[in-house]
Amino acid sequence: QKEVEQNSGPLSVPEGAIASLNCTYSDRGSQSFFWYRQYSGKSPELIMSIYSNGDKEDGRFTAQLNKASQYVSLLIRDSQPSDSATYLCAVNNGLSGGFKTIFGAGTRLFVKA
Amino acid sequence: EPEVTQTPSHQVTQMGQEVILRCVPISNHLYFYWYRQILGQKVEFLVSFYNNEISEKSEIFDDQFSVERPDGSNFTLKIRSTKLEDSAMYFCASSSGRTSEQYFGPGTRLTVT
Repeated sequence: QKEVEQNSGPLSVPEGAIASLNCTYSDRGSQSFFWYRQYSGKSPELIMSIYSNGDKEDGRFTAQLNKASQYVSLLIRDSQPSDSATYLCAVNNGLSGGFKTIFGAGTRLFVKA
Repeated sequence: EPEVTQTPSHQVTQMGQEVILRCVPISNHLYFYWYRQILGQKVEFLVSFYNNEISEKSEIFDDQFSVERPDGSNFTLKIRSTKLEDSAMYFCASSSGRTSEQYFGPGTRLTVT
């Protein structure tokens, strides 16, 4: 079983629409959850972090976490062509012993003008 | 705004040679990481480092790899005898806490010929 799973896409949405990206993880001890954006040839850029169940909003972005279902999602409202990138879900186990962060393979998002 | 820096941006080396990749984490961060990303593939965790010792390492991080914080600012990844399959982007990241957001450097593209 993969540790962090994402639909590879591509996910294509029209400009102005809501893009919904999903992620599931296998380690129930995971403590922190991140969404990164990665443009081709560039490094991951942090968009959002979420640590507790529920929603967290930051501008056009909303992260949602459900630890019981081991599920994290990212909503992008009013999608723009500049949002076209690969979105990476990352999960950190953090608390006990060593700490590591596992990334999903990413979902490619295309926003059509 | 503080940022993680990495040098060199591109390193070409011959198989069997040693390489050292350098990173300067954000100055008040205490947790450091190395990741690699083979072209077209996911970001893979290599190692986490805190308080001058390795906290956790992945199966990729074998005896050919080592990390060091030689002074108060640099964090290095050494590959002792490079293989063709070590060709990848190597990203350094740092965070202020073990479950906190990680900020990535721009990466070093390593090409082994």
